[in-house]
Amino acid sequence: NAGVTQTPKFQVLKTGQSMTLQCAQDMNHEYMSWYRQDPGMGLRLIHYSVGAGITDQGEVPNGYNVSRSTTEDFPLRLLSAAPSQTSVYFCASSSDGVNEKLFFGSGTQLSVL
Amino acid sequence: QQPVQSPQAVILREGEDAVINCSSSKALYSVHWYRQKHGEAPVFLMILLKGGEQKGHEKISASFNEKKQQSSLYLTASQLSYSGTYFCGTRTSYGKLTFGQGTILTVHP
Repeated sequence: NAGVTQTPKFQVLKTGQSMTLQCAQDMNHEYMSWYRQDPGMGLRLIHYSVGAGITDQGEVPNGYNVSRSTTEDFPLRLLSAAPSQTSVYFCASSSDGVNEKLFFGSGTQLSVL
Repeated sequence: QQPVQSPQAVILREGEDAVINCSSSKALYSVHWYRQKHGEAPVFLMILLKGGEQKGHEKISASFNEKKQQSSLYLTASQLSYSGTYFCGTRTSYGKLTFGQGTILTVHP
């Protein structure tokens, strides 16, 4: 059972480039979310989804795009990378949106130069 | 809006106790607690639900005051393995889990 799989683990971008962070889960979880983690800021919610075809914004959505065409996948798109988007990104999933724990992926370390 | 955690950092000797607090300005569906080791993903510890139900770790306990929108995590007889950053997460609506800024716990021999 793979759980939550994130790719890539490391990425370096130049300012203005675009890219997609991949997230896939094999637990048939309805709820998926993306967080970014910066020193002293904790985990901040970027976007989340409560099921296929349904997404919503979190606390820091600007500069990021998401879609949820299948239950398994929840990719995060950086439209035009900026140095302020340098961070560690975590994808997480759970079986429901209230009472169940989050399973986290191993994270993606992104640097934007 | 992120919940507020206190203290920001705690230093303990093995065997000592600690309390980490979490408060929110909004009504809560549930409170989550996670621990993160350096360079790793957060790991689930506990969920506290409205109505008093708890799910989670056997050796770590927590409380949830629904009226005050506050939760506390109790770490008793701390071990070296308890070191890490502790995050509380709060659900104020279905699907949306937001985390506090974290509390760094260091346990020394």
